[in-house]
Amino acid sequence: EAQVTQNPRYLITVTGKKLTVTCSQNMNHEYMSWYRQDPGLGLRQIYYSMNVEVTDKGDVPEGYKVSRKEKRNFPLILESPSPNQTSLYFCASSSPRGTDTQYFGPGTRLTVL
Amino acid sequence: DAKTTQPNSMESNEEEPVHLPCNHSTISGTDYIHWYRQLPSQGPEYVIHGLTSNVNNRMASLAIAEDRKSSTLILHRATLRDAAVYYCILRAADSSYKLIFGSGTRLLVRP
Repeated sequence: EAQVTQNPRYLITVTGKKLTVTCSQNMNHEYMSWYRQDPGLGLRQIYYSMNVEVTDKGDVPEGYKVSRKEKRNFPLILESPSPNQTSLYFCASSSPRGTDTQYFGPGTRLTVL
Repeated sequence: DAKTTQPNSMESNEEEPVHLPCNHSTISGTDYIHWYRQLPSQGPEYVIHGLTSNVNNRMASLAIAEDRKSSTLILHRATLRDAAVYYCILRAADSSYKLIFGSGTRLLVRP
């Protein structure tokens, strides 16, 4: 079954404690991205990757890092989380064409105290 | 990126058709019209997309105006499971992997 998986699904942490949210896809997609969803602000792109070792900033990259060492994985790293990064995070993947479907993961709800 | 306008919310009765409108008056010739939906506590999922002609798939139909300045997502028989936020999104065929989500239309389905 084609899918995007994220772990963990829920995470409560404290300010400054480094964390990583993993994302993995089994569709051999070149393109992967991270979004965050906040009430009243909708879904906004954080980072994206066009292929292995190719990443770029989205609309709200501050405070986040990503890496793309393998095609299937695209982890989101928060080196020093802050309360304003409390949000619902989604990973997505697709093949390169703009007409192609993007597949989203189930989401990770992060709370930073 | 061209902008879309959708009503904030709509209501429907179960097993009745639902027509969800979207205005995109600044659409360019290469923009595809995509629809995604987000069920409660889930990630967005693809529904349908089209360029100029009307499109049908197992989930829905997409009716595109002749001037392409508006489109309508049609759910032929709404079920309770169709209660979700529906997003109308424009994407250029050759670029723009980013999906720009507006506020969408929240569909309420009454039993």
